[in-house]
Amino acid sequence: AQSVTQPDIHITVSEGASLELRCNYSYGATPYLFWYVQSPGQGLQLLLKYFSGDTLVQGIKGFEAEFKRSQSSFNLRKPSVHWSDAAEYFCAVPTGGGNKLTFGTGTQLKVEL
Amino acid sequence: DAGVTQSPTHLIKTRGQHVTLRCSPISGHKSVSWYQQVLGQGPQFIFQYYEKEERGRGNFPDRFSARQFPNYSSELNVNALLLGDSALYLCASSLSRGPQEQFFGPGTRLTVL
Repeated sequence: AQSVTQPDIHITVSEGASLELRCNYSYGATPYLFWYVQSPGQGLQLLLKYFSGDTLVQGIKGFEAEFKRSQSSFNLRKPSVHWSDAAEYFCAVPTGGGNKLTFGTGTQLKVEL
Repeated sequence: DAGVTQSPTHLIKTRGQHVTLRCSPISGHKSVSWYQQVLGQGPQFIFQYYEKEERGRGNFPDRFSARQFPNYSSELNVNALLLGDSALYLCASSLSRGPQEQFFGPGTRLTVL
């Protein structure tokens, strides 16, 4: 079954530093892939999506992600982190034929000032 | 444009009671999905409804049920509440049935005592 793995449960970076959050997928064909962000007590906001085509995807809030088939990865990156980026980040893949999303376990990002 | 709305925001129930959660999708969206997010975990898929019919169901007991109305809003019902049902319940809407980006509401925080 299709799934995603987020190996890092917690990550701490300093404000202004670069960020990379890892996501590995398990899927035979080219998957659709999503990154969502969740602030404390809030719903999920879509950061970016990959369906096909250009493997470098630009999203909102200065985030980007690169689809690498050879590594089965879809890592999220940001060149310079802001304190407001502190949140939980989820990678997700549609499974089951409809638009059911299967989420990773999430990565909690802490930003040190 | 209004995003996905959910009501109520918070809810406290006791074991054995019944609860109804409500969701209004983005205007023009015909698909509504429900997710349960237990503290510290990623969201887990419960149901998808499209054009008022159930199109997908996750691994949840029959105590969980849902429906979609002609205006595409949706209700999630949970009977015989257990302590383990305490979670954030998220509703997501999308334009159609297949794999695509979904837009999430702020969620309903259910506490079962």
